[in-house]
Formats: sequence, structure tokens, C-alpha cells
Amino acid sequence: NAGVMQNPRHLVRRRGQEARLRCSPMKGHSHVYWYRQLPEEGLKFMVYLQKENIIDESGMPKERFSAEFPKEGPSILRIQQVVRGDSAAYFCASSPLASGSSYNEQFFGPGTRLTVL
Amino acid sequence: AQRVTQPEKLLSVFKGAPVELKCNYSYSGSPELFWYVQYSRQRLQLLLRHISRESIKGFTADLNKGETSFHLKKPFAQEEDSAMYYCALNTDKLIFGTGTRLQVFP
Repeated sequence: NAGVMQNPRHLVRRRGQEARLRCSPMKGHSHVYWYRQLPEEGLKFMVYLQKENIIDESGMPKERFSAEFPKEGPSILRIQQVVRGDSAAYFCASSPLASGSSYNEQFFGPGTRLTVL
Repeated sequence: AQRVTQPEKLLSVFKGAPVELKCNYSYSGSPELFWYVQYSRQRLQLLLRHISRESIKGFTADLNKGETSFHLKKPFAQEEDSAMYYCALNTDKLIFGTGTRLQVFP
């Protein structure tokens, strides 16, 4: 099992462009989470998805950010019209159980570092 | 409010010294707490969880509900323990502290 995969590992965008971050969960995991880590800060929860459903998006900025986890293929975090403040490391995690379940371990990907020029 | 606080950004010790990484939480329910670790150039990984009451790589953490703390301890630090350590609270999502960088000098 290759673990959680994220690509690209590094992404550079100019202000106003779109950023697409991909996450492939571990085999057998149907729960995906996205986190953002700003410089000097901890990981902040953004969104929790199951296949084809957004379960909790309470941490997502209201504008420009969206996430999906289609029936086939990776989960996508999409940021439209990026601004400098979007520069951060974005981590994806997956788990075999639903969020909040006891003994539920989240397995993390290596992250995508987004730089907005 | 649900919150995890790690007051130390950096903790430096010499090899063989005891280590305690502090973590305090704020949560009205029954907490489930984790410690995650990120070694240099590696991904974040689970170190231990309070439910299991286990010792991993010599580290232990005891949940103290009275003090709302879940401090991570190791009696004798090793150079390979140098890493970023994150305390996390499991509610309907994982809430992370800001992390503590542990540096163990030879």
C-alpha cells in the first residue's frame, strides 16, 4: 500500500490563476480530509469528504475554495483566483472509518506546497 | 471552544535528558487525544493515542482531565527523536496544536 499520495508536491501560481491539488487516499479508505498549514501555524482543518459527498466543510473559506471526491479518481482541492495569502502547505489525509470514530487513525500525505507569486 | 495549545515552539535538550512536550486542550466532551510526529522530510504520522495507553519509541502521554493536559514525555531523549510534534484533539474532526519542534543535541 503506497500510502496517501498527493500531487503536485510543489505548485507555483500567479495571482488570479487557479490551483488544483490532488489527493489519492490509501487503498480501502473512503474518508478524505484536507488541512492547510500556514507558516508558523498548525494544521487547520478545511474539509471532510466521503465518496461523492462533502460531509463537513466548516473550515473552508466561503469563496474561491472547493473540494470534491468523485466516485472514481482522486480528491481535488480547487482554489480559484489565488491570492498571496493562499500560499501554504496543503495536506490530505485519509481514514478507513468515519471522522470522530474512536480508534480512527488518519494517514497523511506528503503535502502540496503552494506558492502564489 | 475546541482548542489545542502547545505553548512551546521549540524545545532543545541534550541526548539522554528527559523530555516533556506540553499540550493543553479545551473541550466540553470526553476528549480523545493524539500525538503526531513529523520527522525531517517525512510525512506526518501518528505517534500515540491516549485511548491505547501505549508507549511508542519510549514516549508516553497521560491524559489529565483535571488539568486538561496531554503532555508527551520521554525519560531519555535520543538524537533520532528530533522532529516536529503535534498534539491533536479528535472531535468530529482533528484539531491540531501549532506544534513543538524538538531538537536533541548529541
